[in-house]
Amino acid sequence: DAMVIQNPRYQVTQFGKPVTLSCSQTLNHNVMYWYQQKSSQAPKLLFHYYDKDFNNEADTPDNFQSRRPNTSFCFLDIRSPGLGDAAMYLCATSLIQGRTDTQYFGPGTRLTVL
Amino acid sequence: QKEVEQNSGPLSVPEGAIASLNCTYSDRGSQSFFWYRQYSGKSPELIMFIYSNGDKEDGRFTAQLNKASQYVSLLIRDSQPSDSATYLCAVNRNGGFKTIFGAGTRLFVKA
Repeated sequence: DAMVIQNPRYQVTQFGKPVTLSCSQTLNHNVMYWYQQKSSQAPKLLFHYYDKDFNNEADTPDNFQSRRPNTSFCFLDIRSPGLGDAAMYLCATSLIQGRTDTQYFGPGTRLTVL
Repeated sequence: QKEVEQNSGPLSVPEGAIASLNCTYSDRGSQSFFWYRQYSGKSPELIMFIYSNGDKEDGRFTAQLNKASQYVSLLIRDSQPSDSATYLCAVNRNGGFKTIFGAGTRLFVKA
């Protein structure tokens, strides 16, 4: 089945220790997104890739970086995690065609910062 | 004013009843509207999308859109305890990359 996969599902890191979260997709979608979601809040878009074009949201901290080495994979790097970065990180994909932007989410990675 | 507003709930309905979830949005240029279901600790799952004014039905779910009032709703008929989740409303301007999500309404269906 075509799907969006995120690894790991749970990640524990120490304050200030870099961490990388990964996302892969078999949907062959041209857009990949990273969201941060905290408890009882809306998913917050951090950035997205349209093919190889990277687009950062204006309020995304510099601490967050992303890489998309190919169509299928995308990574989220948190260079120096703080306690406030503990959250669920969601990867989503979409196929931009016409007016639609239906996004499909992976299962998420729950990040804990000690 | 938030771009997408939803009542946080919880909305509590008895099993078998109709659950009505509402969402308002601020951008009149919005063209695409989505409802996602999110179980606790899980990721959002797409339920349905709607583009045109009126109703769109899919099984027990009906999405209703009124662009003039900037209002979109989701009706769940014959609610089941398994429908207990947070329902996120999401709005996209015109097929662009930015979809704005609401914070969700928590629905509790009592058996």
